[in-house]
Amino acid sequence: AQSVTQPDIHITVSEGASLELRCNYSYGATPYLFWYVQSPGQGLQLLLKYFSGDTLVQGIKGFEAEFKRSQSSFNLRKPSVHWSDAAEYFCAVAYPGTYKYIFGTGTRLKVLA
Amino acid sequence: GAGVSQTPSNKVTEKGKYVELRCDPISGHTALYWYRQSLGQGPEFLIYFQGTGAADDSGLPNDRFFAVRPEGSVSTLKIQRTERGDSAMYLCASSSSGLDPEQYFGPGTRLTVT
Repeated sequence: AQSVTQPDIHITVSEGASLELRCNYSYGATPYLFWYVQSPGQGLQLLLKYFSGDTLVQGIKGFEAEFKRSQSSFNLRKPSVHWSDAAEYFCAVAYPGTYKYIFGTGTRLKVLA
Repeated sequence: GAGVSQTPSNKVTEKGKYVELRCDPISGHTALYWYRQSLGQGPEFLIYFQGTGAADDSGLPNDRFFAVRPEGSVSTLKIQRTERGDSAMYLCASSSSGLDPEQYFGPGTRLTVT
């Protein structure tokens, strides 16, 4: 079955430090790729998406992600984390011809002042 | 323009009761999706509507769950004989069509079964 893996359940970084959140999807056709952020008790906010083209994608709030086909990965990065970035981050995929999003289990980010 | 809205934002019910959760998609969006997010997990697909019909209900966990979209716009997710394990965030999303890979999510309904 198709799946999405976010290997890091929790990540703690200091404010101003760089951040990388990992996401791997199961082997197969290149899916559409998404990163969402969710604050406690809130809905999902789309950070960025990849459908095709340039494999380095820029999103909102200073986030970027790079699609690497050879590694089946779509890792999220931010050069300098702000305290307001503390939240849960979800990677999601959707395969062409389907409509279901498959989500990872999420990575909870904690930011130290 | 207006995004996807969901009501209520929070619902507390007693075990065994019936609940309805409502989703108003973006105007003109023909595709509508329901997902369930349990605590500490990512959202999981429940059901997909294209227009008025449920094109895929394979994610509904059992026959206590049912959803309708009678006029191809608003959708209601119905849960009968609620159980404590039904406690979760229920998310609705819509897209312009079933072929559009971008789904727009609502704020969710937090359901708590006591």
